Amino acid sequence: DVKVTQSSRYLVKRTGEKVFLECVQDMDHENMFWYRQDPGLGLRLIYFSYDVKMKEKGDIPEGYSVSREKKERFSLILESASTNQTSMYLCASSPAARRQETQYFGPGTRLLVL
Amino acid sequence: ILNVEQSPQSLHVQEGDSTNFTCSFPSSNFYALHWYRWETAKSPEALFVMTLNGDEKKKGRISATLNTKEGYSYLYIKGSQPEDSATYLCALNAGNMLTFGGGTRLMVKP
Repeated sequence: DVKVTQSSRYLVKRTGEKVFLECVQDMDHENMFWYRQDPGLGLRLIYFSYDVKMKEKGDIPEGYSVSREKKERFSLILESASTNQTSMYLCASSPAARRQETQYFGPGTRLLVL
Repeated sequence: ILNVEQSPQSLHVQEGDSTNFTCSFPSSNFYALHWYRWETAKSPEALFVMTLNGDEKKKGRISATLNTKEGYSYLYIKGSQPEDSATYLCALNAGNMLTFGGGTRLMVKP
């Protein structure tokens, strides 16, 4: 069974704080993704990574950065949190780039920025 | 950015009703269409991956069809049960990434 875990289910931070969201997968997947989900907007891709130390911008990268130092771990960083980054954040992973491949999701982190 | 649309946005049905909802997407550069079910407080879970025009897939009471020429997929639930209450997401793979629709939130009343 593929398992994708995220470091926190709920997080409350203040405007201007640096925030780290961690994601770990245990199935040796090459690809990892960070999404945010807001009501009525579906999942929007922030960043993704196809390999260690590799990152690509998704559709909404502004205000975020990522780090992939190890294959199993993909971190999302909010350098200076703002209230418009209050959202549900989902991490996903999938095997090496075959276009039909299913993505496996973590349970999500609900972030509130005050 | 590709435009993937789902309708309706939300749906309330009675237990035992059958229901369906739609995912529409641009038909150019199509590789695959994914359906996910996302229950509250859980991870989104893959239902189907559909790749061929005319594909029809089934899992218990849930089935899906695909029309890549006109750019739509239907998800059907036969005899809805309260445990079917969830948000159903479709996602288009037109390259190496998934583009998600806004989801259909289904609530099944006992």
